[in-house]
Amino acid sequence: DAKTTQPTSMDCAEGRAANLPCNHSTISGNEYVYWYRQIHSQGPQYIIHGLKNNETNEMASLIITEDRKSSTLILPHATLRDTAVYYCIVRANTGFQKLVFGTGTRLLVSP
Amino acid sequence: GAVVSQHPSWVICKSGTSVKIECRSLDFQATTMFWYRQFPKQSLMLMATSNEGSKATYEQGVEKDKFLINHASLTLSTLTVTSAHPEDSSFYICSASPSWDSTYEQYFGPGTRLTVT
Repeated sequence: DAKTTQPTSMDCAEGRAANLPCNHSTISGNEYVYWYRQIHSQGPQYIIHGLKNNETNEMASLIITEDRKSSTLILPHATLRDTAVYYCIVRANTGFQKLVFGTGTRLLVSP
Repeated sequence: GAVVSQHPSWVICKSGTSVKIECRSLDFQATTMFWYRQFPKQSLMLMATSNEGSKATYEQGVEKDKFLINHASLTLSTLTVTSAHPEDSSFYICSASPSWDSTYEQYFGPGTRLTVT
């Protein structure tokens, strides 16, 4: 079973920041938080991952709470092409660990 | 870099026939590949973990005799759906982890849509 909880769906206006929350209250000390997204009828795309520090790359920012029980993915300026299902996954980085996908959050970016 | 391809992108077959789906890592070697299945409006479900040169590890409830996985090289894994039935119609996605990547990141293919008539 997935070890994360995400809202089923969210809406965002184009150009605004999209903040996608994720709860992972049972996360272990050696588990990272990963975010992937899946645009309709495509394979998942890696976005970002982190352990305990906040992370930023060209796609998004990841904010992890100090107790690591939740995190937020931030898309700073959402575009229509960001409409997708976003998956938050926790996984250890020791060996080839499988990814367990939950139901994710369906983000709809509107004009 | 780190591109994964799948072939075919879509396939239609008749009930009772077998279908082979290929997953290739184009610019890296992958000791481990994963096969997922996704039904409409559902999440990805891991079917099996494919290790080069050894038998695949199947998730609970996945029939290993029906979904044959072969990982004969470091750049190719194949999934064969044997005696396909309409309930096998689904979106099949593979992922691969570069052997050199210490973070064990997974890169996903574009998926193969299988329709069994």
